[in-house]
Amino acid sequence: EPEVTQTPSHQVTQMGQEVILRCVPISNHLYFYWYRQILGQKVEFLVSFYNNEISEKSEIFDDQFSVERPDGSNFTLKIRSTKLEDSAMYFCASSEGPGGGPQFFGPGTRLTVL
Amino acid sequence: AQSVTQLGSHVSVSEGALVLLRCNYSSSVPPYLFWYVQYPNQGLQLLLKYTTGATLVKGINGFEAEFKKSETSFHLTKPSAHMSDAAEYFCAVSGYSGAGSYQLTFGKGTKLSVIP
Repeated sequence: EPEVTQTPSHQVTQMGQEVILRCVPISNHLYFYWYRQILGQKVEFLVSFYNNEISEKSEIFDDQFSVERPDGSNFTLKIRSTKLEDSAMYFCASSEGPGGGPQFFGPGTRLTVL
Repeated sequence: AQSVTQLGSHVSVSEGALVLLRCNYSSSVPPYLFWYVQYPNQGLQLLLKYTTGATLVKGINGFEAEFKKSETSFHLTKPSAHMSDAAEYFCAVSGYSGAGSYQLTFGKGTKLSVIP
């Protein structure tokens, strides 16, 4: 069964460093998402992406964040200058289409900022 | 705007007993509703979804949920708990926001413990 994959599973970085989190969505899906889950808190929406552009973003997704689909398979989340409060589990998700179609999640990347 | 409230951050049931996890939502547009399960150190797995049509939806692992518009609820049930059901369960709502996407809004989650 096709699945969303994410790399790395765990990333440790120093405050102020740039990180890139990678995702490979399900191949025939057209809508891509990033969510994050700070330890002990709820899963929060960051950004959605369709047709090579951001379709919606949350207040969390400020200028330090960017997303890109550099080729036909990868979907990346970049954090330019990490802060301690960026430490969280980051989930990538994809869906075949809008209209309430289910989003399928990857296993997540745990980002630890020291 | 959408929101989800899950009553009870932690629920304990005996093996073989009924599982009932509560979820109430608010949405200004027709909602699409989902339950996801998260096992320790794993991602979110879709259990079931309601989009349109039949209000009682069946999912994987014997779980089902009923959409009750009048009560704005989407409670998750399973007749008989199994040890392998121990996990955290998240209720989520989405609906067209007018911005071209269907972002999911999650509840805070309910951790289910199953007592042998």
